[in-house]
Amino acid sequence: GAVVSQHPSRVICKSGTSVKIECRSLDFQATTMFWYRQFPKQSLMLMATSNEGSKATYEQGVEKDKFLINHASLTLSTLTVTSAHPEDSSFYICSASADRGLQPQHFGDGTRLSIL
Amino acid sequence: GENVEQHPSTLSVQEGDSAVIKCTYSDSASNYFPWYKQELGKRPQLIIDIRSNVGEKKDQRIAVTLNKTAKHFSLHITETQPEDSAVYFCAAFSAGTYKYIFGTGTRLKVLA
Repeated sequence: GAVVSQHPSRVICKSGTSVKIECRSLDFQATTMFWYRQFPKQSLMLMATSNEGSKATYEQGVEKDKFLINHASLTLSTLTVTSAHPEDSSFYICSASADRGLQPQHFGDGTRLSIL
Repeated sequence: GENVEQHPSTLSVQEGDSAVIKCTYSDSASNYFPWYKQELGKRPQLIIDIRSNVGEKKDQRIAVTLNKTAKHFSLHITETQPEDSAVYFCAAFSAGTYKYIFGTGTRLKVLA
């Protein structure tokens, strides 16, 4: 159980493009989804916490207009990187948790975003 | 702000030896401490976790200890095998902020 599906797994696109990443919990209701960014050989940095039905809480330094997060249902959250630039290239990974994070988080497979 | 320090950043051990990775957290509201193993380009995999009402937990070759007073927790891997080679992350979940803070990671290399 506790499967999280993240799509796409890999995106290569031109600078200025907006990219949407989906994160779905397949067999449980995720009241909370976390979005992380991971640079090569570095740790996971929390970008934002998304609770179903409410606005996402962004970490300091993360531009909410740049990284749009929607969590409209208990099984789906999306991250849209708007007008992406090369410096946005990174590994983006979501996780889903029941009960506002009080239950263990389950990770998606991640999305490797490359902006040319 | 909240942070989690993790040491060492790299660790090489001979196959069959033990490996220990240590983390220290700052948020006293932290009450759940998972450990993840991440292989290159893959998702982090939960390998063991511990809650704040427990001091030690063991699962076969893997154990975790928690010292709430000192805000330390450690991962112990015994009888290491080459397939244990990966990057290991500790994390602390805060019941105050409802979020996870990750350690900086430890690259473990088990030499055959």
